[in-house]
Amino acid sequence: DVKVTQSSRYLVKRTGEKVFLECVQDMDHENMFWYRQDPGLGLRLIYFSYDVKMKEKGDIPEGYSVSREKKERFSLILESASTNQTSMYLCASGGGDIRSSYNSPLHFGNGTRLTVT
Amino acid sequence: DAKTTQPPSMDCAEGRAANLPCNHSTISGNEYVYWYRQIHSQGPQYIIHGLKNNETNEMASLIITEDRKSSTLILPHATLRDTAVYYCIVRAQGAQKLVFGQGTRLTINP
Repeated sequence: DVKVTQSSRYLVKRTGEKVFLECVQDMDHENMFWYRQDPGLGLRLIYFSYDVKMKEKGDIPEGYSVSREKKERFSLILESASTNQTSMYLCASGGGDIRSSYNSPLHFGNGTRLTVT
Repeated sequence: DAKTTQPPSMDCAEGRAANLPCNHSTISGNEYVYWYRQIHSQGPQYIIHGLKNNETNEMASLIITEDRKSSTLILPHATLRDTAVYYCIVRAQGAQKLVFGQGTRLTINP
C-alpha cells in the first residue's frame, strides 16, 4: 500500500512564525502536491512538484513556498504565518509520469490541521 | 478539466447498495473519471477510476454511460464506515493535479 506520511496531525503556531510542514512518500513517485482544505471552499492546490528541485505554482501559492531536495520528501513552508493560513493541509503523491501517458491516482496523507493564533 | 455535478447529499440504509451519480457532460475523450472519498478528519482516499469501460475493484464499481456524460459509483453493501464525502473528478490523461468539487455527503443509516 502507498504510504504518504505528514509529520504532524495538529500544529499551533503564532502569527509571524516560520512554519514547516513535512511530507514523505514511500512509493518513489515523481509527483508530489500540497493542498489546503477549508469549509465551503473544498480542496485547493497550493504547489506541486514533478521532480526533485522542480516546483510549480498551484491555484493559491501566495504566502507559501516549497522545497523538494529528495524525491521522497516535499516540504511546505509558511515564511511568516498569518491567521488566514489556519487550515487543514493535505499532501499527496502519485499521478503518473508527465512524460508518459500513464494515468495513476494520487494518494493523500491524513493531513495537518494548522492553527495560527 | 471538465466540471462535474454531484448531489450535495444522499442517504442509504446499511447493507443496501449505495449508488452515487455524477454528471460530466463536457468530458473530453482523453479524460478519466476518478472517485475519491473523505471520511471526517482524514485525507481523501482513492476509490476507483475509469475511462470508458465499467470498472470494479474490492471497494466499489464504476459504471460509465456509453456517451461518457455521466457515471455512477456503486458501493454494493454499504456499511456505517462508508459514511463520507464522495468526490467525482474528471482528469485528463497525463494531467498531474486533481481538481476537487464539493462532492456528495453520503450518510449510511443503521
